Amino acid sequence: RKEVEQDPGPFNVPEGATVAFNCTYSNSASQSFFWYRQDCRKEPKLLMSVYSSGNEDGRFTAQLNRASQYISLLIRDSKLSDSATYLCAVRGNFNKFYFGSGTKLNVKP
Amino acid sequence: EPEVTQTPSHQVTQMGQEVILRCVPISNHLYFYWYRQILGQKVEFLVSFYNNEISEKSEIFDDQFSVERPDGSNFTLKIRSTKLEDSAMYFCASSGTGGVEQFFGPGTRLTVL
Repeated sequence: RKEVEQDPGPFNVPEGATVAFNCTYSNSASQSFFWYRQDCRKEPKLLMSVYSSGNEDGRFTAQLNRASQYISLLIRDSKLSDSATYLCAVRGNFNKFYFGSGTKLNVKP
Repeated sequence: EPEVTQTPSHQVTQMGQEVILRCVPISNHLYFYWYRQILGQKVEFLVSFYNNEISEKSEIFDDQFSVERPDGSNFTLKIRSTKLEDSAMYFCASSGTGGVEQFFGPGTRLTVL
């Protein structure tokens, strides 16, 4: 079973739409959770950490559901510049991190 | 804004040759990482490094790989005898106290011929 799983997409949405991605993880002992954004052939850039209480940063909202072992990312009012691949990452035991394969988002005019 | 830097941006080598990939982490960070990403695939953890020693490594990080922090600023990944399947983008990352939020360098594209 994969450590972290994501729907690969692509999600094709119009500008202004709200879009949500989910990510499931297999290790219930996982400690920390993150969303990264990766543009084509570039490095992952940290979008936000995900806290148990949920957190929001502008148009982005992240949620963690430990009971069901998933994290989610909600993007409101999508912009063309949001087009990218969104990676979820999970910190396992100690200092080992696992990335999902990413969900591709295309925001169209 | 401080950033992680990596050199070279692209390295081409012959199978069986040794390569050293270099990284300069963010200056006050304490935790350092190497990842690889084969084209079209996911980012894979290789190794984490803290307090001058490896703290975790993956199954990929076998005896062909080694890491070193030779001075106060550089963090290197050495591949002793490259194979065709080592062709990938290699990312270095660093994080500060707590070792949680990681910041990635721009990567080194390694091509093994």
